[in-house]
Amino acid sequence: NAGVMQNPRHLVRRRGQEARLRCSPMKGHSHVYWYRQLPEEGLKFMVYLQKENIIDESGMPKERFSAEFPKEGPSILRIQQVVRGDSAAYFCASSPSGTDNEKLFFGSGTQLSVL
Amino acid sequence: AQKITQTQPGMFVQEKEAVTLDCTYDTSDQSYGLFWYKQPSSGEMIFLIYQGSYDEQNATEGRYSLNFQKARKSANLVISASQLGDSAMYFCAMRGSQGGSEKLVFGKGTKLTVNP
Repeated sequence: NAGVMQNPRHLVRRRGQEARLRCSPMKGHSHVYWYRQLPEEGLKFMVYLQKENIIDESGMPKERFSAEFPKEGPSILRIQQVVRGDSAAYFCASSPSGTDNEKLFFGSGTQLSVL
Repeated sequence: AQKITQTQPGMFVQEKEAVTLDCTYDTSDQSYGLFWYKQPSSGEMIFLIYQGSYDEQNATEGRYSLNFQKARKSANLVISASQLGDSAMYFCAMRGSQGGSEKLVFGKGTKLTVNP
């Protein structure tokens, strides 16, 4: 059973470009979470999605950031017009359900560098 | 709002000794889960141990145990017989159902260094 797959592992963008980060949850998992980690800091929640639904986007910046989890295919975190402050590690996690006793399985992350 | 506090930015321990990493939490949920994750320098997040709020016994997983004191709202991680490979960042996290969103909330982490 493959784990949570994130790609690309590293992504370099120039200021003003778009970044698209992909996440395929573990098989059978319908709950996907995106987190951002700045250097020397913990993981900050961004968004929680189920298939075709955004459940909680309270951690998403109001502008330039969007996320989706379509019926078919991976979850996508999209950052438009990137700025240097967007440079961070972005982690995706999945779980089979949304109950509080379920651990989240994490992908290896995408390291975004904005030049 | 849910909050996790890890007051130790860095900890040092000698190989083969035990070490305790502190974690306190704040929540108004009655039912919640507490988790510890390890993040080595390679960056991946590795699940270590889980404690449910209604569990009466402290969780154990091999060399890891969780010292759960519900009244004090603390969930300290104890690593016994430390190994060099235990050097990493350790994050305490909580998952509840506040506001209908079962997201995992993380602390800022503790950097553990195991000395030979």
